[in-house]
Amino acid sequence: ETGVTQSPTHLIKTRGQQVTLRCSSQSGHNTVSWYQQALGQGPQFIFQYYREEENGRGNFPPRFSGLQFPNYSSELNVNALELDDSALYLCASSLGWRGNEQYFGPGTRLTVT
Amino acid sequence: SQQGEEDPQALSIQEGENATMNCSYKTSINNLQWYRQNSGRGLVHLILIRSNEREKHSGRLRVTLDTSKKSSSLLITASRAADTASYFCATSLGFQKLVFGTGTRLLVSP
Repeated sequence: ETGVTQSPTHLIKTRGQQVTLRCSSQSGHNTVSWYQQALGQGPQFIFQYYREEENGRGNFPPRFSGLQFPNYSSELNVNALELDDSALYLCASSLGWRGNEQYFGPGTRLTVT
Repeated sequence: SQQGEEDPQALSIQEGENATMNCSYKTSINNLQWYRQNSGRGLVHLILIRSNEREKHSGRLRVTLDTSKKSSSLLITASRAADTASYFCATSLGFQKLVFGTGTRLLVSP
């Protein structure tokens, strides 16, 4: 078990709605990364936050946005949900952003109907 | 898009046997990491190997890295039923975006 927690565990939303997912990083970690994992695929990088600033972004549209708080916890917001947004959303925390191990939370399973 | 491929896509063995899975990637890297995932849950970090290392061991795990061939392998020795999971390699270059492969599903039968 890592010290990374995510909430909620499962979520069902309707197309067009908005969703907020939350992540608490492991104690002492100042970097949080978010990934989307579609069924049967490897995780895809969404974005990373380092000390409350976005530190890199993957190939995801602007309706995917994030936030990191002073205690280094983080939120992922998705607007205008589409059916293809159905996936497991994983957050990972690390100490710094230079080639250290990332520790993943258990994920939030989002279903869009 | 995925960085590369794991091979095989699926592997079925008996307890006590060794399991070998391979990972190929496309670009230069700083390091390569292997993760395990049980039943669509979070990923568990197994081992990190840096680009200037060729081999690394951790318990029953042995990882090799060949940067000239852009490939890595993960060997699990004396496998157990509890090793049943999906295994992913992930590479990083520069800032810490991890680029994952497509995964190998390992089934270890008692």
